[in-house]
Amino acid sequence: DTEVTQTPKHLVMGMTNKKSLKCEQHMGHRAMYWYKQKAKKPPELMFVYSYEKLSINESVPSRFSPECPNSSLLNLHLHALQPEDSALYLCASRYRGGPFGYGYTFGSGTRLTVV
Amino acid sequence: GQQLNQSPQSMFIQEGEDVSMNCTSSSIFNTWLWYKQDPGEGPVLLIALYKAGELTSNGRLTAQFGITRKDSFLNISASIPSDVGIYFCAGQLNTDKLIFGTGTRLQVFP
Repeated sequence: DTEVTQTPKHLVMGMTNKKSLKCEQHMGHRAMYWYKQKAKKPPELMFVYSYEKLSINESVPSRFSPECPNSSLLNLHLHALQPEDSALYLCASRYRGGPFGYGYTFGSGTRLTVV
Repeated sequence: GQQLNQSPQSMFIQEGEDVSMNCTSSSIFNTWLWYKQDPGEGPVLLIALYKAGELTSNGRLTAQFGITRKDSFLNISASIPSDVGIYFCAGQLNTDKLIFGTGTRLQVFP
């Protein structure tokens, strides 16, 4: 299995809803990432988990709550979102690309619409 | 958030032409990666560069890690219609942080 799998592929939620995005990989990668991507913009880093511990939080609002239950699974819990949070949410995992650096594999993303 | 400067912003070329795009930064990177993203999909890795001065090819694609470690370029030779998409450079600042360039949108006309 050489993929990062994200579910659901599409999600529509109201501003009072609570929902979760899920990301899974079975490649043994020990660092996992959440990115947010608005239309026609590059992905923006949100969170990094390294060895199941949160290592980077890029000043993301608390209505986004990440969780890494184990080395294969990464969740993003959503609560009280705003319409401007509508975006493509991408998950990635990091692997050793060679003796000198890393590579990153991305999932296909979850297209989130907040109404 | 932090971004890398990528140019050109968009390119409209004829099938068969060569393409060149580049990324620059004020920061030093220890890894440069080039990705292609199709609409509604996640980025797909094209080429990874790990050493300053490194020149790497992947089929019709060639990329180089700048000697100053602050820039990188990607060339596509003999473009074909399926090359259409958005190309992103990405630089690794430290072990955990990967940031993206602003993207180059490529359109190929037959």
